[in-house]
Amino acid sequence: GESVGLHLPTLSVQEGDNSIINCAYSNSASDYFIWYKQESGKGPQFIIDIRSNMDKRQGQRVTVLLNKTVKHLSLQIAATQPGDSAVYFCAETTPNDYKLSFGAGTTVTVRA
Amino acid sequence: SAVISQKPSRDICQRGTSLTIQCQVDSQVTMMFWYRQQPGQSLTLIATANQGSEATYESGFVIDKFPISRPNLTFSTLTVSNMSPEDSSIYLCSVEGVERRSYNEQFFGPGTRLTVL
Repeated sequence: GESVGLHLPTLSVQEGDNSIINCAYSNSASDYFIWYKQESGKGPQFIIDIRSNMDKRQGQRVTVLLNKTVKHLSLQIAATQPGDSAVYFCAETTPNDYKLSFGAGTTVTVRA
Repeated sequence: SAVISQKPSRDICQRGTSLTIQCQVDSQVTMMFWYRQQPGQSLTLIATANQGSEATYESGFVIDKFPISRPNLTFSTLTVSNMSPEDSSIYLCSVEGVERRSYNEQFFGPGTRLTVL
């Protein structure tokens, strides 16, 4: 079946640098995407979402980019902080479907 | 976003026994979801629980193994029955976004960490 996947399983980032987390999806019918952050021992936390009619959306220190041509999603974190250390998941859904499909996850470690 | 709590937060159980996990949300929601997250893995949807109807299970999950209750719009339970060590996972409930956006966003509880010996 079709699935959402991630290019890199781990990412080590120097504090203060920018982080880029990538996600590839294969379902061309997907029209809504979410990035979640999961800290150790906690449930996933909603970070930011984007609809397929957009190619960029910005939040506080985070930006999500969507490239529908190559079915690629990325999350950019500006000025990465120690509190950003977590596992990041992308998730997708298709129109009229409430179910989310999750990617494998990228572990981000911030070096002091 | 909704505030979601789960009980217990963690448990260690013997094989062959059953554990019921509770999920409570602070506002009324139509849709609640149960996920499993095996160690070091991503989230897999077990079932969707709507109030007033039978839960809808995903491929690979059956009601006899994971019975679900949804007695009202703020509460649900998931039971992991006849447990084996392979059931050791984090079990998470989530709810639809209460702001009722056009697209479905989901908010997650803190999870229940289950270890089966």
